[in-house]
Amino acid sequence: QSALTQPASVSGSPGQSIAISCTGTRSDVGGYNSVSWYQQHPGKAPKLMIYDVTKRPPGVSDRFSGSKSGNTASLTISGLQAEDEADYYCSSKMTPNVVVFGGGTKLTVL
Amino acid sequence: QITLKESGPTLVQPTQTLTLTCLLSGFSFTSEQVAVGCVRQPPGKAPEWLALIYWNDAEYFSPSLRRRLTITKDTSKNQVVLTLTNMDLVDTATYYCVRGTVEGGFDYWGQGALVTVSS
Repeated sequence: QSALTQPASVSGSPGQSIAISCTGTRSDVGGYNSVSWYQQHPGKAPKLMIYDVTKRPPGVSDRFSGSKSGNTASLTISGLQAEDEADYYCSSKMTPNVVVFGGGTKLTVL
Repeated sequence: QITLKESGPTLVQPTQTLTLTCLLSGFSFTSEQVAVGCVRQPPGKAPEWLALIYWNDAEYFSPSLRRRLTITKDTSKNQVVLTLTNMDLVDTATYYCVRGTVEGGFDYWGQGALVTVSS
């Protein structure tokens, strides 16, 4: 299965807002409300930040939000902080019962 | 406290079979009605989902690896075992045990186990 498409890198200054896109097809992102987003710091396991497109697990800052339009999902981080610098990955359910990940986006806080 | 802990070899020879055991703590299949599985991540690359087994014994696999994968659960030991046959150099990766579902994402991850394939 093909990976979901994410920009290789994004950057922003502290306090700013940034968005990371995740583009798929009608067979994955566009077909299900099952998009998740993960944050990964170097040497650490990924951490779930968003699930079911827009929901935040307990303990995740409300500066993180998710959305979807058609075959593209987005993760928005508002009030950017130095600790947000990390790799971000999206994932989605894909027909029939498969999970597919994006290629990842490196977020740099300037 | 919910944890998942991977155990298995750090070095595997080409053509051998990888057996990865996930020991679960703080939750059980029967009480939580969740799934447990495995995601791997080659060095410097994106994660790749491998397999999931649900509380009701439903199993789902990555289509590209389906022929090489098996996943089983032992509810009495609260553990999951994944096997990947015919290991190759490209299977070198950190293997993570995860809790979650196909639809809802993976809310808990193990610390990961680096498996290197080399002769």
